Amino acid sequence: SQKIEQNSEALNIQEGKTATLTCNYTNYSPAYLQWYRQDPGRGPVFLLLIRENEKEKRKERLKVTFDTTLKQSLFHITASQPADSATYLCALDTGRRALTFGSGTRLQVQP
Amino acid sequence: EPEVTQTPSHQVTQMGQEVILRCVPISNHLYFYWYRQILGQKVEFLVSFYNNEISEKSEIFDDQFSVERPDGSNFTLKIRSTKLEDSAMYFCASRTGATGNTIYFGEGSWLTVV
Repeated sequence: SQKIEQNSEALNIQEGKTATLTCNYTNYSPAYLQWYRQDPGRGPVFLLLIRENEKEKRKERLKVTFDTTLKQSLFHITASQPADSATYLCALDTGRRALTFGSGTRLQVQP
Repeated sequence: EPEVTQTPSHQVTQMGQEVILRCVPISNHLYFYWYRQILGQKVEFLVSFYNNEISEKSEIFDDQFSVERPDGSNFTLKIRSTKLEDSAMYFCASRTGATGNTIYFGEGSWLTVV
């Protein structure tokens, strides 16, 4: 069955540094991969979508890469701020099920 | 920005009672979903709905669950006879097209079964 792993349960970094989160998947070849932010007690909020034929996608301080050979996506937040502290979810876009989520990485940015 | 709205935000119910969770998806969206998240666990797919019928459901979505789009705007999830293990946050989501489109989530309905 499909498996999605987000390698770190938690990541602590200093304000101003770049946060890098990893998502690995097996037993699937998704055409799309999405990243979401989730704050405690709230619904997931869409951040970025990347297609299988795109190596990299950027939006403001966010950058996502997608390596279909390694079956891996990296999510970067540059110049991180305490307001970036949240859980970040990787999700495979699997058609009729829409999204299959990883368990998330909880990012804490220290001032 | 248009949003998916869910009611109630929190419901406490006795085990064995029926619960209906309500959602108003974004108006021009065609694909609708329910997910759930047990406290501390990952977001899990329950069911997808398109063209007034279920297009896919997970193993979690057994005979106790049903979905309906009664009036063209609301999208409901019914749990017929709640169990303690149904306690979770339930998220409604929608999108315009199938694969490759942004999915918008509501803020969730927190269900506590006692």
